[in-house]
Amino acid sequence: DTAVSQTPKYLVTQMGNDKSIKCEQNLGHDTMYWYKQDSKKFLKIMFSYNNKELIINETVPNRFSPKSPDKAHLNLHINSLELGDSAVYFCASSQVGGNSPLHFGNGTRLTVT
Amino acid sequence: DQQVKQNSPSLSVQEGRISILNCDYTNSMFDYFLWYKKYPAEGPTFLISISSIKDKNEDGRFTVFLNKSAKHLSLHIVPSQPGDSAVYFCAASEGRNTGTASKLTFGTGTRLQVTL
Repeated sequence: DTAVSQTPKYLVTQMGNDKSIKCEQNLGHDTMYWYKQDSKKFLKIMFSYNNKELIINETVPNRFSPKSPDKAHLNLHINSLELGDSAVYFCASSQVGGNSPLHFGNGTRLTVT
Repeated sequence: DQQVKQNSPSLSVQEGRISILNCDYTNSMFDYFLWYKKYPAEGPTFLISISSIKDKNEDGRFTVFLNKSAKHLSLHIVPSQPGDSAVYFCAASEGRNTGTASKLTFGTGTRLQVTL
């Protein structure tokens, strides 16, 4: 049973397109996250939601819009894709609290051409 | 501005020996530290953590040491096994300041290769 699953695993698209990445967790966690790992291997937080409410937004361009229909799902929609959006995007979840370890999905490798 | 640094991009260790992975941080507000292990094409997997009130935490073959005055932590793996070959990420958070979320700042990782 996959704890945090995200789809698709690979996504290749052209500049200007709109795409979505889906994430679901079955751990019963209240908090979910999106992280981005760029070409320099930096893993940086983008967003965090707690029970469908946005609690962390790390100055990500507003072309990126997370949506949480319920606390087990956190989807990421990206409008007007740019070359610089190419990266690996990781979804994660955790229990409530600043000292809770994150559980990550296997990542979505987005390539914008 | 890299607040968490892993200055060794790679490390090679023989099976059975000790692996020592190092991590330095600059933000004195960090009070919770974690190590993650990552295999290719998978997400990072939580390995071990330590709170700033401790200087050592042990879990089986894995021990994390924290030196707050030096703003340095290390992960010791002993004995090292071939299955330990992976990328290891150090991460830190201001646990008391982030409320309901765990806002982790990651290093860039150290690739550990355990050879036979």
